Amino acid sequence: EVQLVESGGGLVKPGGSLRLSCAASGFTFSDYSMNWVRQAPGKGLEWVSSISTSDTYIYYGDSVKGRFTISRDNTKNSLYLQMNSLRAEDTAVYYCARGGYYDILTGQDLWGQGTLVTVSS
Amino acid sequence: DIQMTQSPSILSASVGDRVTITCRASQSISSWLAWYQQTPGKAPNLLIYKASSLESGVPSRFSGSGSGTEFTLTISSLQPDDFATYYCQQYNSYPWTFGQGTKVEIK
Repeated sequence: EVQLVESGGGLVKPGGSLRLSCAASGFTFSDYSMNWVRQAPGKGLEWVSSISTSDTYIYYGDSVKGRFTISRDNTKNSLYLQMNSLRAEDTAVYYCARGGYYDILTGQDLWGQGTLVTVSS
Repeated sequence: DIQMTQSPSILSASVGDRVTITCRASQSISSWLAWYQQTPGKAPNLLIYKASSLESGVPSRFSGSGSGTEFTLTISSLQPDDFATYYCQQYNSYPWTFGQGTKVEIK
């Protein structure tokens, strides 16, 4: 089955760190760019970060730049998001989403179920 | 950053209605626009990419049009499964940005 499964969410104190993982299956992970998108409770979608097939190109949203790091391990079919210096406004469901085949610009056509990150003291 | 503005924010409609949602970009994004549908508690689902290309498996009652700064998503005949929130997204330049969403509710 073609799917993405996120893990690693939870409750963390302000200033703390968390590492999210996304396990891909059913497709050739290394052939696709990958993304993280988040959604605060009751709010809209916010793009967080993108990574190209071979790590050559990495991009971040302004609100997470310098605090979050996206990475991938094509040998493990996995995508990661290291989140440091967490703030209350980072509280959201974090989705892993597949991008374009061979880094072609397109919409995100496959999404995980999401993992909830709550930043609170 | 490119700002994406959707209208309306809330749309009340009945089954069988033709529905149109508009998305405006603060600067030209050519045709690098996607539309998503999201129901409560679920991940978004890609409907349209490159402004007017229908994603595989998406019913043909969904269509997209536009280029430059103005885009529309049309549902030709609203079905019960279509009551959801719809988002546009530009991927012309980073940071990618989403519209604020349009909730389609039952009239």
